[in-house]
Order: sequence, then structure tokens, then C-alpha cells
Amino acid sequence: GAVVSQHPSRVICKSGTSVKIECRSLDFQATTMFWYRQFPKQSLMLMATSNEGSKATYEQGVEKDKFLINHASLTLSTLTVTSAHPEDSSFYICSARDPGGAGTEAFFGQGTRLTVV
Amino acid sequence: GENVEQHPSTLSVQEGDSAVIKCTYSDSASNYFPWYKQELGKGPQLIIDIRSNVGEKKDQRIAVTLNKTAKHFSLHITETQPEDSAVYFCAASENTGFQKLVFGTGTRLLVSP
Repeated sequence: GAVVSQHPSRVICKSGTSVKIECRSLDFQATTMFWYRQFPKQSLMLMATSNEGSKATYEQGVEKDKFLINHASLTLSTLTVTSAHPEDSSFYICSARDPGGAGTEAFFGQGTRLTVV
Repeated sequence: GENVEQHPSTLSVQEGDSAVIKCTYSDSASNYFPWYKQELGKGPQLIIDIRSNVGEKKDQRIAVTLNKTAKHFSLHITETQPEDSAVYFCAASENTGFQKLVFGTGTRLLVSP
């Protein structure tokens, strides 16, 4: 299946700093990518839909100024957690759908474990 | 909007037994239903999916059934193995365009040797 690569896999940062997470589609072009957040032992909660060349669409309750999304190319979307605080500590996962695949399967990155200290 | 419920939250079986996980959805417009396996510290991995134009799909030990009238779909794993132990998520979305996936709450499957 298609490959979505996410980097870094783990990051520890100090409160007040910003962290950037990258999501790349390695063997297909993704006009749309999705960013999820997952707390321990819970399901995936969609944060925003990233659209290449336009503004991201945020889910209700997600602060767009805190979680900056940039989808500058067809293979790269980035999520920047600005002014991070301990409550932002979580597992962040991106996904992309392969428009050229057998269907519209969504493939997920490996996830990024963010710890804010 | 769509709401997906998943049961059970935990499931323990003996190696070789079958495991069944059930999901219900609310939006009749949903017509794409994937299942994901998530191992600890990793992203979800697609294991099987089904579209509304079929009632059942099978891939080796894994099968998915769909009842559109009742709005529920199920994952069946036969001859379970310890390496099947993981968290399984169902999801639902519209198949047109790039509609977002709505996930169930997850089922933690434990297969004991």
C-alpha cells in the first residue's frame, strides 16, 4: 500500500516553545491530508483537514492559531504546535488518501509522540 | 454528523479462537467502512475495508460484513494468533471526494497463547 512518513517519531520540548511535525506521502500525491490527535487509550480525534495550496479546515474546538497547518506541496503537510504547554502532550498522527489507488483508502503515518515539559 | 460506536472495548480470546468486533454508524450517507489495527506507539494500519455495494469481504483470516439497512458492520478474525493482539478501530466515511473518517472508540484485543 501507499506510504505516509511522519517525522519526528518522538519529540520533547519545553513549555512555550514551538514544535513542527512533518507528514510526507512518499509514493503518491496527496491534495488532502488529515491531522489527528490521540490521547492514551482513546480513539483518534480529527483536528484538521489540510488542503494543498489553501487554508486548512479545522474541526470545532481546535485552535487554528495554536495548531498551524501548512500544505505547501502535494507531498508535504506540516503541523506546528505553537507555544506548547504540557496539556498539548499527545500522540499526533497524519493521514493521506491516495487518489490513484484502488479506492480512497487512507494511509497513516507512524505518529509523533509529543511531550511538553 | 456521523457517529460511530464500537463494541466491545476489550476482548480476550485464546489462540486459535475467533474474534468479532462490531460497529454501528448513524449517517446513512456513509458508504466506506475501513478497519485499522494499531500497535502500541504506532500509527493505524489499514487491514481491510468494505464499500456499501457489497455485504461481505474476506482476506485470509480477516473478514468484514456490512448490513446497510441496520447500519452496522463487523470485523471477524479467525484462527487468532498472539500477533493479532492490538487495538482495532472501525471507521466510516462517504466515499466521494476526500471525506473525513469518523472513528469508533477502539477495541483492545488480547490473544493469549
